[in-house]
Amino acid sequence: QKEVEQDPGPLSVPEGAIVSLNCTYSNSAFQYFMWYRQYSRKGPELLMYTYSSGNKEDGRFTAQVDKSSKYISLFIRDSQPSDSATYLCAMGRYGNKLVFGAGTILRVKS
Amino acid sequence: SAVISQKPSRDICQRGTSLTIQCQVDSQVTMMFWYRQQPGQSLTLIATANQGSEATYESGFVIDKFPISRPNLTFSTLTVSNMSPEDSSIYLCSVGSSGGTNEQFFGPGTRLTVL
Repeated sequence: QKEVEQDPGPLSVPEGAIVSLNCTYSNSAFQYFMWYRQYSRKGPELLMYTYSSGNKEDGRFTAQVDKSSKYISLFIRDSQPSDSATYLCAMGRYGNKLVFGAGTILRVKS
Repeated sequence: SAVISQKPSRDICQRGTSLTIQCQVDSQVTMMFWYRQQPGQSLTLIATANQGSEATYESGFVIDKFPISRPNLTFSTLTVSNMSPEDSSIYLCSVGSSGGTNEQFFGPGTRLTVL
């Protein structure tokens, strides 16, 4: 079993839809949770960073962490074609390496 | 966040040769990391490069194949040695946050094709 599981998609949605991206993990020691966005032929860009459980909102993006279920989510409201990218979840413990999910390919159709 | 650049952005190399990839950061950082991202795959950590000490390699990666230098707090190089087509990949450097958290910020990547 992988430490971090993420559905690779692709996930295809119409413009304006609410998108839900998810990861599950097995290591209960993880404290830091991140979402990266990676456009084709670019490096990953940090979108959201969360410490421990709870929600964090930034514009159209909301990150949720449920440590009791070992489940994290990224919600994108009013999705735009420019949101089409691969979304990678990542997590770790302080001072330790990050563990990445496989990435979910998102396509927002105009 | 730091601005990170990598050179070259892409290269096509012959089997058996070596390529050195450079990573430059616009501010001093303690921790730098090198990753490999094979087509359609997620990121795999190759090694952690800390200034003033030997790089720490992950399981499956060895110094003879991927020597790393970290001469100062703003620069690092990764060499891919004696390349084979299986080394064709995107190589990414990242830097750790200076704020005491686990965030990492990535460079644009180097796309390597080995023929």
